[in-house]
Amino acid sequence: QSALTQPASVSGSPGQSITISCSGTGSDVGSYSVVSWYQQHPAKAPQLMIYEDSKRPSGVSNRFSGSKSGNTASLTISGLQAEDEADYYCCSCARSGSKVFGPGTKVTVL
Amino acid sequence: EVQLVESGGGLVQPGGSLRLSCAASGFTFSSYSMDWVRQAPGKGLEWVSFISGGSDYIYYADSVKGRVTVSRDNAEKSLYLQMNSLRVEDTAVYYCARDRTDSSGYPYIDYWGQGTLVTVSS
Repeated sequence: QSALTQPASVSGSPGQSITISCSGTGSDVGSYSVVSWYQQHPAKAPQLMIYEDSKRPSGVSNRFSGSKSGNTASLTISGLQAEDEADYYCCSCARSGSKVFGPGTKVTVL
Repeated sequence: EVQLVESGGGLVQPGGSLRLSCAASGFTFSSYSMDWVRQAPGKGLEWVSFISGGSDYIYYADSVKGRVTVSRDNAEKSLYLQMNSLRVEDTAVYYCARDRTDSSGYPYIDYWGQGTLVTVSS
């Protein structure tokens, strides 16, 4: 699978909304895979935030939402809170089971 | 409660070997595909390997293909990663992760272990 592209960093003030993009090609983020998103706090294991492009697991705040259009997936965090400061990774998952992660985006709450 | 506990990490010299283990509990292990994902110090996540529930399908990242072997023992509820010909660039925290299949038939990781650190250095 091809490499994915994410912004290195995104910042916002408490209460604001931010969006993290994840761009790929038709063979990964496009029609032949789905995207999931993971949050990782320092020295912690990643945690699933979004799967199947836009679905939210139980227990994840509804402030987190996902979407996909063409070869770009997006994670939006609304009502930004201090606890949202973390690294966020998109993951393109092929039906076969192979996966590729984006380089990660550091979210800073100002 | 789903639990994944990795072990087997440590310091190894370049060219050496190491076998990582992951003990699973809280779910029917044989019904789930599993992955290994690694993270070099200060770097991002890198998918390493995938193994289906019955070990029928196995895939590796190009960066480790030919040097690592993933296996599982469903009776013991354990996942393994045998790593050979280790390189300095294999230094990372190695996470064991559970796959779940979505409504479209695509797998995604829903649970992660806490990871085990592998350091390759002379």
